[in-house]
Amino acid sequence: EDQVTQSPEALRLQEGESSSLNCSYTVSGLRGLFWYRQDPGKGPEFLFTLYSAGEEKEKERLKATLTKKESFLHITAPKPEDSATYLCAVPFDGGSQGNLIFGKGTKLSVKP
Amino acid sequence: DTGVSQDPRHKITKRGQNVTFRCDPISEHNRLYWYRQTLGQGPEFLTYFQNEAQLEKSRLLSDRFSAERPKGSFSTLEIQRTEQGDSAMYLCASSDGGQGRNEQYFGPGTRLTVT
Repeated sequence: EDQVTQSPEALRLQEGESSSLNCSYTVSGLRGLFWYRQDPGKGPEFLFTLYSAGEEKEKERLKATLTKKESFLHITAPKPEDSATYLCAVPFDGGSQGNLIFGKGTKLSVKP
Repeated sequence: DTGVSQDPRHKITKRGQNVTFRCDPISEHNRLYWYRQTLGQGPEFLTYFQNEAQLEKSRLLSDRFSAERPKGSFSTLEIQRTEQGDSAMYLCASSDGGQGRNEQYFGPGTRLTVT
């Protein structure tokens, strides 16, 4: 069964304290891995798509990397405004056109 | 603003009532998705449209749920005879699907509370 597992469930950082979030997946043929940010009460906001092992994407303090079985979201020198839940998702292996399977997310809190 | 919009943003209804939600996708996107999200969980896929055709439905989508996308533009999701377990955030997303691009852009969601 296709699965997406994110760890840790929650992460508390001090402002400026860098760390990484993990997303592992078990689909047989990867057709992209997607990272989203979600603020409370809002819809997910698209961050990155990664398509092949070794690929990296960056946006401000965030960098996403991909291997054959997992992806990491590295947060460098985070600020309080980076506090949010970070979701990763992969297209369902048996699906027709990219309906996504999401992990439960990592809730990040950055304290000033 | 040309993002995905959803209406209403919040809906409180009594058990057994019918509710309908609307989603307006990004105008040039031909793919539209509905997801449901409960507290502490990631979004769960419900159904998918390419233009006006509903191509896929999740096993989560019971007979009480129906979705339409007339003319391939906006979409509606109707829940009949609501149950307390239907309380959730209902999210709509759209993508253009061109050149293998599957990035989905989400709307703000409709928060449903069934009392």
